[in-house]
Amino acid sequence: AQSVSQHNHHVILSEAASLELGCNYSYGGTVNLFWYVQYPGQHLQLLLKYFSGDPLVKGIKGFEAEFIKSKFSFNLRKPSVQWSDTAEYFCAVNGRGTDKLIFGTGTRLQVFP
Amino acid sequence: GAGVSQSPRYKVAKRGQDVALRCDPISGHVSLFWYQQALGQGPEFLTYFQNEAQLDKSGLPSDRFFAERPEGSVSTLKIQRTQQEDSAVYLCASSLAAGSGYEQYFGPGTRLTVT
Repeated sequence: AQSVSQHNHHVILSEAASLELGCNYSYGGTVNLFWYVQYPGQHLQLLLKYFSGDPLVKGIKGFEAEFIKSKFSFNLRKPSVQWSDTAEYFCAVNGRGTDKLIFGTGTRLQVFP
Repeated sequence: GAGVSQSPRYKVAKRGQDVALRCDPISGHVSLFWYQQALGQGPEFLTYFQNEAQLDKSGLPSDRFFAERPEGSVSTLKIQRTQQEDSAVYLCASSLAAGSGYEQYFGPGTRLTVT
């Protein structure tokens, strides 16, 4: 069955700490991978995406993610978090020819000054 | 610029009532999606339109759920005889064209509470 797992449900960090949020997927065939972010009181918005090519993708606000095909993973990283990064982060996948997104359960990130 | 809008933002329904949730996608966007997000969970796919054609409704949980997009723009998700388990945030998303590579832009959602 197609699924996305986010093992970190709640992460608490101090400003300037490094961040890595895990994402593993189960999906047959070629995949597209996404990280979405939902800031408090705001809509879901796209942080970054991977379709093909360089497995290290860079997104907005200093975030990056690495696609490791052999591990079925697409972990999100940021070298130094800020208080404004406090939000919920969702990993999602779809397949070539299938537009619908399959989301993980999300990781709530709290950053304290 | 205008994003995806949804109305109402909040809806309280008594068990057994019918509800209708509206989505206004970004103008010109071909694809429209509905997702259901239960508390503490990620969004789950309900249904997908390409223009006015409903191409995938595999995620609709029961025949009480019905969606339409008659003119290929505004969409309505209708839930008949609401049950408590229908309580969730209903998200609408649109994308410029068909194809898995296009970004989906999400609306603010409608929070449905069934009492």
